[in-house]
Amino acid sequence: SQQGEEDPQALSIQEGENATMNCSYKTSINNLQWYRQNSGRGLVHLILIRSNEREKHSGRLRVTLDTSKKSSSLLITASRAADTASYFCATDAEYNNNDMRFGAGTRLTVKP
Amino acid sequence: DTAVSQTPKYLVTQMGNDKSIKCEQNLGHDTMYWYKQDSKKFLKIMFSYNNKELIINETVPNRFSPKSPDKAHLNLHINSLELGDSAVYFCASSPYIPPNVLTFGAGSRLTVL
Repeated sequence: SQQGEEDPQALSIQEGENATMNCSYKTSINNLQWYRQNSGRGLVHLILIRSNEREKHSGRLRVTLDTSKKSSSLLITASRAADTASYFCATDAEYNNNDMRFGAGTRLTVKP
Repeated sequence: DTAVSQTPKYLVTQMGNDKSIKCEQNLGHDTMYWYKQDSKKFLKIMFSYNNKELIINETVPNRFSPKSPDKAHLNLHINSLELGDSAVYFCASSPYIPPNVLTFGAGSRLTVL
């Protein structure tokens, strides 16, 4: 069964704007990860946040995690056309960190 | 060198046929996975192997049989293909020690006619 659910399903913004995507999950986790998928390609890992962390930054990416609400957000600042892709959150199972579950993803389109 | 490589990239076949998809990783990872991505982009875990041992086996029809001859290879064999098997199948690998960051292959698009 799916663990994470991203929203919105699709997001369209202009270059230079910020993009925020959200993820909700159902069970306790050890960590939450965000991945990116360009059209016709495999997923690429972007950033990982552990369950005892609340915020993490990596370049133009900012991830937050609220374990009490079982939710996370991914913020991409100063977006570029090259950021156009689908973004997925993935969570492991607290009892089995190899059990990685993904949501359906948010399709981000950044218009030049 | 490609870290996780899958073959074939595209596969078009008739209903009822049997087909295999192969996956190899050169990262030295202990754990390998098969995921299925449907037309709505849902990515669903199918199987996971750790050092040739099956550790995750989701509710997948027994027409799907994974085989791991060694920890660098995880193949997926599908018998009696059905229309609903059409999807993109992704292989991934990860180190066994947490945190579990996955490296994905480029995917194998299976079309069943």
